[in-house]
Amino acid sequence: ETGVTQTPRHLVMGMTNKKSLKCEQHLGHNAMYWYKQSAKKPLELMFVYSLEERVENNSVPSRFSPECPNSSHLFLHLHTLQPEDSALYLCASSWWGTVPGTDTQYFGPGTRLTVL
Amino acid sequence: KNQVEQSPQSLIILEGKNCTLQCNYTVSPFSNLRWYKQDTGRGPVSLTIMTFSENTKSNRRYTATLDADTKQSSLHITASQLSDSASYICVVSSGTYKYIFGTGTRLKVLA
Repeated sequence: ETGVTQTPRHLVMGMTNKKSLKCEQHLGHNAMYWYKQSAKKPLELMFVYSLEERVENNSVPSRFSPECPNSSHLFLHLHTLQPEDSALYLCASSWWGTVPGTDTQYFGPGTRLTVL
Repeated sequence: KNQVEQSPQSLIILEGKNCTLQCNYTVSPFSNLRWYKQDTGRGPVSLTIMTFSENTKSNRRYTATLDADTKQSSLHITASQLSDSASYICVVSSGTYKYIFGTGTRLKVLA
């Protein structure tokens, strides 16, 4: 799967560290997403960027800071995280247009984050 | 409240057998419904997408059904293979950037 890549694949950080997750899509899509996936919970949408503008922010704590410098790249900057933030962070991209059903999301492999 | 519920939570079957996974939703407005397969350590991959007017859609050994009246969908897997072991997630789209995810069914196929 090379359509959507994420780095790093695994990350262990302390509560006082600052780190960034990176996502890159090679599909020519115009929307990108960050999701949090915790055990036995549905995927939680964190942020949506469309045409590099943030269009959704689902009450995410400010210790998570997204950045979308262009339509192919998406970052999630992390600082002063809590142990309960440990989860799989998934990036996705899609084409958002006027044709129904064309907004299939393509996911990256995720970053497994552990906060100590 | 928009919600997607899946059952069973987990399922173990023998290789070669068939199985059916269920998805019930209370989402409004409804745009479309997708089934995703998520292998361990990987991101979800779309299997099928169904719009309001579609009742059945097949993708190789996967057949999805949709009953928009009862707000139920099912995913039937025929002649299961070891590689079918994964989590299967039902997702309902409800407008622009609105995706409601189920918690998934974890399927284990044994040799």
